[in-house]
Amino acid sequence: NAGVTQTPKFRVLKTGQSMTLLCAQDMNHEYMYWYRQDPGMGLRLIHYSVGEGTTAKGEVPDGYNVSRLKKQNFLLGLESAAPSQTSVYFCASESYVAGEQFFGPGTRLTVL
Amino acid sequence: TQLLEQSPQFLSIQEGENLTVYCNSSSVFSSLQWYRQEPGEGPVLLVTVVTGGEVKKLKRLTFQFGDARKDSSLHITAAQPGDTGLYLCAGGRMDSNYQLIWGAGTKLIIKP
Repeated sequence: NAGVTQTPKFRVLKTGQSMTLLCAQDMNHEYMYWYRQDPGMGLRLIHYSVGEGTTAKGEVPDGYNVSRLKKQNFLLGLESAAPSQTSVYFCASESYVAGEQFFGPGTRLTVL
Repeated sequence: TQLLEQSPQFLSIQEGENLTVYCNSSSVFSSLQWYRQEPGEGPVLLVTVVTGGEVKKLKRLTFQFGDARKDSSLHITAAQPGDTGLYLCAGGRMDSNYQLIWGAGTKLIIKP
């Protein structure tokens, strides 16, 4: 099992450009999450999904959109990147039974 | 807004010493989790405590959940260089089955 994978691992964007981050999990988990991690601020929830076809806003959703068309995939989109979106982005998945979040290795995004 | 405050933010000690990391809030949590994160990787769950006053041990690590379920501590006995990492606490929200409130983390360095 690969667990949770994220692509790409690194990306540099210019202000105003768009991109999509892909998260995939092979554990058949119901819940999936997108977080951003900034120095001294811990993990902040951007959006989450409790099942295929459903998404909901987290703590810091502005400037991001998500889609979960398939149970195993959770996409995070930036429509018009801003320097404030420079961060490390983590995807996580969780079984509704276990209560443990499994994280991907992260995507380091720099917006110039 | 629920907040989890971790202290200290940074700790650098010699191998063999003992240490305690704290996670405090004014809010009650349904559960409290501790994760460890190494550079370039996502967090990995160490333990979940659910009952007020609960104590769990994981080798040299001892985790305690406060009686009122508002705070937690992580104690490491005879720290080793392999314990180096970022320790994150995360509280389960009383009003949600799938959202966590994250602390900002304690960066721990154990020097040989």
